[in-house]
Amino acid sequence: RKEVEQDPGPFNVPEGATVAFNCTYSNSASQSFFWYRQDCRKEPKLLMSVYSSGNEDGRFTAQLNRASQYISLLIRDSKLSDSATYLCVVGDSGYSTLTFGKGTMLLVSP
Amino acid sequence: DAMVIQNPRYQVTQFGKPVTLSCSQTLNHNVMYWYQQKSSQAPKLLFHYYDKDFNNEADTPDNFQSRRPNTSFCFLDIRSPGLGDAAMYLCATSSSSGGNEKLFFGSGTQLSVL
Repeated sequence: RKEVEQDPGPFNVPEGATVAFNCTYSNSASQSFFWYRQDCRKEPKLLMSVYSSGNEDGRFTAQLNRASQYISLLIRDSKLSDSATYLCVVGDSGYSTLTFGKGTMLLVSP
Repeated sequence: DAMVIQNPRYQVTQFGKPVTLSCSQTLNHNVMYWYQQKSSQAPKLLFHYYDKDFNNEADTPDNFQSRRPNTSFCFLDIRSPGLGDAAMYLCATSSSSGGNEKLFFGSGTQLSVL
């Protein structure tokens, strides 16, 4: 059974803090990795894909460690608007579908 | 402009009364998915269509059925809703099903069962 495990939340941080989320996946054959963001009672939306070399998009940095089957998301200089649930998502190769983690909730306070 | 549209946004049904949720897309994507998401849980894939090919997840109850009459529309039918079926139902699309495609989600239908 394919599993994606994430840090249990919620994470409560003040504005301006740096916060990191961790995710592990069970299927060593996994080929694609994503972070989605989901606001309360809304649909998930793609935040960023995760590449083997690591990638950065503004205040967001994603890292992948294939040997440890581990993915991370770092958010620098947290904003109030970053408050949401962050879902780790993993895809296999070939004809397959994506597996979602339960998500980690982030609460950024003034 | 909305690309994946779900109706209604909120649906209330009675225990055992059949209900249909609808989804349409303007992206012309081959693949359409139905996910069930309960509070604080991961979205759980119920089934998906690759064009007209239906793919049911092994643990999806028989109570859940789906129809895709054309590329643009997909329906989720719950034949006899139980209290445990109360959840957010998310429709999504992608241009292919290789496990590495971005999913485009609709805004979801929140189903309540009384």
